[in-house]
Amino acid sequence: DAEITQSPRHKITETGRQVTLACHQTWNHNNMFWYRQDLGHGLRLIHYSYGVQDTNKGEVSDGYSVSRSNTEDLPLTLESAASSQTSVYFCASSESGDSGELFFGEGSRLTVL
Amino acid sequence: KNEVEQSPQNLTAQEGEFITINCSYSVGISALHWLQQHPGGGIVSLFMLSSGKKKHGRLIATINIQEKHSSLHITASHPRDSAVYICAVSSTNYGGSQGNLIFGKGTKLSVKP
Repeated sequence: DAEITQSPRHKITETGRQVTLACHQTWNHNNMFWYRQDLGHGLRLIHYSYGVQDTNKGEVSDGYSVSRSNTEDLPLTLESAASSQTSVYFCASSESGDSGELFFGEGSRLTVL
Repeated sequence: KNEVEQSPQNLTAQEGEFITINCSYSVGISALHWLQQHPGGGIVSLFMLSSGKKKHGRLIATINIQEKHSSLHITASHPRDSAVYICAVSSTNYGGSQGNLIFGKGTKLSVKP
């Protein structure tokens, strides 16, 4: 069965460290997205991609970067982790066009000390 | 003011009750999504709609584009329906992409046996 997986599921790191969260989907979807979920804010878009070599900034992109070298993967990198980036991160994918059902990964809980 | 508002924020029901969760939005949209997030954290897409009504099992979603309002109904509620229900819209302000969503803050539903 097709799926979307995130790793690691839990990570504790220190301020200033570089962290990469992986997202891998086997749906062969062109669209991939990274969100963060915080109490009081709900889900917010960090970065998104509509295909290989395409990346775009979302609402809360400062301090994050992504790259899309193939269809299956969209890793999210925190160049220098900050305590404000402690959150739960969700990756999602969808087909191009109007069919648009979103498939979410299980989430990655990141704690920055 | 949030662009997507949900009500109520919290809802407790007895098993078997008919439940309605409301979502109002203030932007132009190309589609509206209803998502379910279980206590374990995983997020599942329930519906995506741009007009009218959709039904899946005991769940019904409706949308009124003119009034900028959607409702999610659960008939014959069950404790396993306990979850956070999230409304999200693909805003035409952001190109209408199905994944570039604006999220409501969610409605936490608890169904008691």
